[in-house]
Amino acid sequence: NAGVMQNPRHLVRRRGQEARLRCSPMKGHSHVYWYRQLPEEGLKFMVYLQKENIIDESGMPKERFSAEFPKEGPSILRIQQVVRGDSAAYFCASSHGQGQETQYFGPGTRLLVL
Amino acid sequence: EDQVTQSPEALRLQEGESSSLNCSYTVSGLRGLFWYRQDPGKGPEFLFTLYSAGEEKEKERLKATLTKKESFLHITAPKPEDSATYLCAVQGVTSGGYQKVTFGTGTKLQVIP
Repeated sequence: NAGVMQNPRHLVRRRGQEARLRCSPMKGHSHVYWYRQLPEEGLKFMVYLQKENIIDESGMPKERFSAEFPKEGPSILRIQQVVRGDSAAYFCASSHGQGQETQYFGPGTRLLVL
Repeated sequence: EDQVTQSPEALRLQEGESSSLNCSYTVSGLRGLFWYRQDPGKGPEFLFTLYSAGEEKEKERLKATLTKKESFLHITAPKPEDSATYLCAVQGVTSGGYQKVTFGTGTKLQVIP
């Protein structure tokens, strides 16, 4: 009974390096959402993807951040040239489809930028 | 823009002391209201989805209710294992036609033995 899987669970990067976060949705789900959570803050929407399509990236910073959900394989959130302010927990959620669909979350990736 | 406000920010209860958490919202075309539980260092765990005013759902010691402007999460006779942050989220319709989810900042509940 595999739920949403994320890896790595913890990631340490130095300033200027690239961070690559992976998300495998729940079986049967074709919609993926990425959120960022800072300590003591709520979940902030970043991007919504379907297979091979970005539906809404309005929450994503314009520079250094990108996301993809290829036809085969996991969804990837990529952060280039990381800065200390990128340190946060990044959560992926998936849903079966549109409509009144509940999103189910993965365990998150905790990114620390030194 | 959709907004979700949760209160109180933190709540400390004695074991067995019932209480309610509040979630006030403004949304264009409510499609669903969600409650999640989040433990430290973990991802949010789904609890309930409510779709229309007057709807109620229960799970063990938790009961969620919905009106046109707010939702309540009632906790009856809580136990220490109910300690967690409870998140409320609403799903509305964007101008682009798809349904975006907006989260509140949560209520951190501590239940003391």
